[in-house]
Amino acid sequence: EAGVAQSPRYKIIEKRQSVAFWCNPISGHATLYWYQQILGQGPKLLIQFQNNGVVDDSQLPKDRFSAERLKGVDSTLKIQPAKLEDSAVYLCASMGINTEAFFGQGTRLTVV
Amino acid sequence: DQQVKQNSPSLSVQEGRISILNCDYTNSMFDYFLWYKKYPAEGPTFLISISSIKDKNEDGRFTVFLNKSAKHLSLHIVPSQPGDSAVYFCAASTGNQFYFGTGTSLTVIP
Repeated sequence: EAGVAQSPRYKIIEKRQSVAFWCNPISGHATLYWYQQILGQGPKLLIQFQNNGVVDDSQLPKDRFSAERLKGVDSTLKIQPAKLEDSAVYLCASMGINTEAFFGQGTRLTVV
Repeated sequence: DQQVKQNSPSLSVQEGRISILNCDYTNSMFDYFLWYKKYPAEGPTFLISISSIKDKNEDGRFTVFLNKSAKHLSLHIVPSQPGDSAVYFCAASTGNQFYFGTGTSLTVIP
């Protein structure tokens, strides 16, 4: 079974630039999460989708972050404009019925 | 507001000995608890879980204990192996929402 795919693996941008991350969840998994993990901290939920609907985006900084999952499969997370404090690993996870959440390898973002 | 806490950022254990990783939570509505293991440059991978209706779940060398009255869970690894060296995250969930602790970095010394 293929796992959660994320790209790119690494990204370095200058502050005030924009960046987008892509996630392809495990086939058939209706629930998709985006987490932000800052060095030394646990993953923090940014947004949760159920199919193509948003379940929870209470911790998403909506002035600069946006995410979509238009067809209920792939998802993109965008940051515009980026700030230095956005430097983190961005993890995508998906979950099916009666399964635990499976994580992708993450995208390491460095904002300079 | 940190609902899931791992108060030990790091732990070193001799190979063959027991590793005990601890986790505390504050929300009594959590009904499912998980441990994830994370190697550098990789995403967290699921290790073991326990439902709130149980107090123990065992899978090979890994056992998770849940004390609901104390809102505490622990992961026991016996015997510890060098390949177990990783960061371990405790997670708690209610419905489909997961909350993670800050992680404990385990080093198993050969």
